[in-house]
Amino acid sequence: SYELTQPPSVSVSPGQTARITCSGDALPKQYAYWYQQKPGQAPVLVIYKDSKRASGIPERFSGSSSGTTITLTISGVQAEDEADYYCQSADSGGINVVFGGGTKVTVL
Amino acid sequence: EVQLLESGGGLVQPGGSLRLSCAASKFTFSSYAMSWVRQSPRKGLEWVSTISDNGRTTYYADSVKGRFTISRDNSYDTLYLQMGSLRVEDTAVYYCAKVGYGDYGCDYWGQGTLVTVSS
Repeated sequence: SYELTQPPSVSVSPGQTARITCSGDALPKQYAYWYQQKPGQAPVLVIYKDSKRASGIPERFSGSSSGTTITLTISGVQAEDEADYYCQSADSGGINVVFGGGTKVTVL
Repeated sequence: EVQLLESGGGLVQPGGSLRLSCAASKFTFSSYAMSWVRQSPRKGLEWVSTISDNGRTTYYADSVKGRFTISRDNSYDTLYLQMGSLRVEDTAVYYCAKVGYGDYGCDYWGQGTLVTVSS
């Protein structure tokens, strides 16, 4: 079955840049999305179609794509950005939707 | 603001059935595909199923195929998930989500309903 691979955790100091990667063989063919989830809350869409920022999301969040890897970048990290982040995409046929395992971002 | 309100969760024995509902409001429900996504305790997100705007096309994760059925009633702006042959590993918070981008990008989520499968 198709899988998306994310690092389990990323730590960053306030004001620095956090980069979260997501790898999958079908990413060159399928759009990817990024979600932020804080404890006890539902996920929130952050980035759609690889690089477009969702409504209400601060400009410090950006998405990029290169080959089989997509990256969520948080520039000038703030304490409120501490959360779990999940990538989402589909297999090459576009039928099976998958989420990455999630990355916990810790603001030091 | 879009609202999605899940209901129907609870405790059920292995092998049992349960039907989840998701009441939608503040958007044109019949114009959008909808999805169910679940999250096991202290684990990540897992896509469960997606249904097209008119209800004619459905997709399922392999883990639930043949056991779960997604449906919708556009007259009542409601999404359903009929779950059968439930297993302990189906224990999770189930979220309904509006597909606002592409074929699976979810721009709005409900708060979730907890399903616990245990004897």
